[in-house]
Amino acid sequence: AQSVTQLGSHVSVSEGALVLLRCNYSSSVPPYLFWYVQYPNQGLQLLLKYTSAATLVKGINGFEAEFKKSETSFHLTKPSAHMRDAAEYFCAVSDQGAGNMLTFGGGTRLMVKP
Amino acid sequence: DTEVTQTPKHLVMGMTNKKSLKCEQHMGHRAMYWYKQKAKKPPELMFVYSYEKLSINESVPSRFSPECPNSSLLNLHLHALQPEDSALYLCASSQTTGTSHGNEQFFGPGTRLTVL
Repeated sequence: AQSVTQLGSHVSVSEGALVLLRCNYSSSVPPYLFWYVQYPNQGLQLLLKYTSAATLVKGINGFEAEFKKSETSFHLTKPSAHMRDAAEYFCAVSDQGAGNMLTFGGGTRLMVKP
Repeated sequence: DTEVTQTPKHLVMGMTNKKSLKCEQHMGHRAMYWYKQKAKKPPELMFVYSYEKLSINESVPSRFSPECPNSSLLNLHLHALQPEDSALYLCASSQTTGTSHGNEQFFGPGTRLTVL
């Protein structure tokens, strides 16, 4: 069985500061990993995905994530936070052969202070 | 067109009502999904349709009845719901249910359901 842990249900940063949202996964096979963002009262939007092509993945809105197999991590970063980045962020894993079912982490609410 | 649309945006219903949620995509995707999301929680998978056939039912109560009339449409029929069923219902689609190349799911904006 696979699982996803997001450390920190709430993260607060100042505008212009580094954003770091943590995600650790457990999977018996090489996984596919995703970061989704959810703005208030909206659906989920894909930020980026890891599919084994490159360990450093660049996504939309200046976000990127690095896959570290040895640490079973896929942390999301952005060099400089904007007020518009305030949202809920979900890390998810999809096992190969699992019918494309996503297992989500518990989510991290990012707050950006002016 | 990379959009998944859902109607209605908001729905309030009584416990004896029958209502339906609708989801539509025109990306040629052959897999469609229903999720339920409670406040401050991640989405929970309810159903998966693959090539218009129900492939996964995550032990959802029978008061929720999915339907896939064609490859672009997905409905969720609701009957005799309980107040605890109040949530955001999200629809998603992907090319297939295969996982080659990280088959990402595209989500709609959701329907906010309130059961009185």
